[in-house]
Amino acid sequence: ELKVEQNPLFLSMQEGKNYTIYCNYSTTSDRLYWYRQDPGKSLESLFVLLSNGAVKQEGRLMASLDTKARLSTLHITAAVHDLSATYFCAVAYGGSQGNLIFGKGTKLSVKP
Amino acid sequence: DARVTQTPRHKVTEMGQEVTMRCQPILGHNTVFWYRQTMMQGLELLAYFRNRAPLDDSGMPKDRFSAEMPDATLATLKIQPSEPRDSAVYFCASGLVFRGAGLGNEQFFGPGTRLTVL
Repeated sequence: ELKVEQNPLFLSMQEGKNYTIYCNYSTTSDRLYWYRQDPGKSLESLFVLLSNGAVKQEGRLMASLDTKARLSTLHITAAVHDLSATYFCAVAYGGSQGNLIFGKGTKLSVKP
Repeated sequence: DARVTQTPRHKVTEMGQEVTMRCQPILGHNTVFWYRQTMMQGLELLAYFRNRAPLDDSGMPKDRFSAEMPDATLATLKIQPSEPRDSAVYFCASGLVFRGAGLGNEQFFGPGTRLTVL
């Protein structure tokens, strides 16, 4: 059974600081997704990582994938309040079935 | 601007009543997913369809939940009878899944239906 673990689950950080969210998964997969959810809102796709060593960047967020270590990271650079949200990683499993297993999410709060 | 739509956005009902939630996937997507999100359990996959055929509904309580896709533009999730423990946000997501390809699997989420069962 594929398990996806994120840590930390809660993260309070100050504006301007850097931090990394980790996503570990238990079985082989070469596709990983990061989503953002604002309170009371839907999930918005942030990054699609499709191969080992993939790195994607958008503004202050950078995501990477190491399929050998079964690890993805979401790095936040010089955090700003607008980044406060819950971030989910999701791992594809089941070959071409299209299923994703989601982590429990990391609730990020950026304080002035 | 292609997006997944869901109705209703909010539903308050009493225990024992039937609830039907509807989803319109993005045109051209071949896979539709139903998820339930609660504080305790997080995001749970209830069921999904490929080309309108149900592929897996093992995440659903079968005695009270049913999911259908009567046509390519409509997916429904029904709860009968509803119970307070069904209170949650129900998300529909759609995606385009290619067999054996490295693309696809990205899922696009609708705005959700917030269900409260009293």
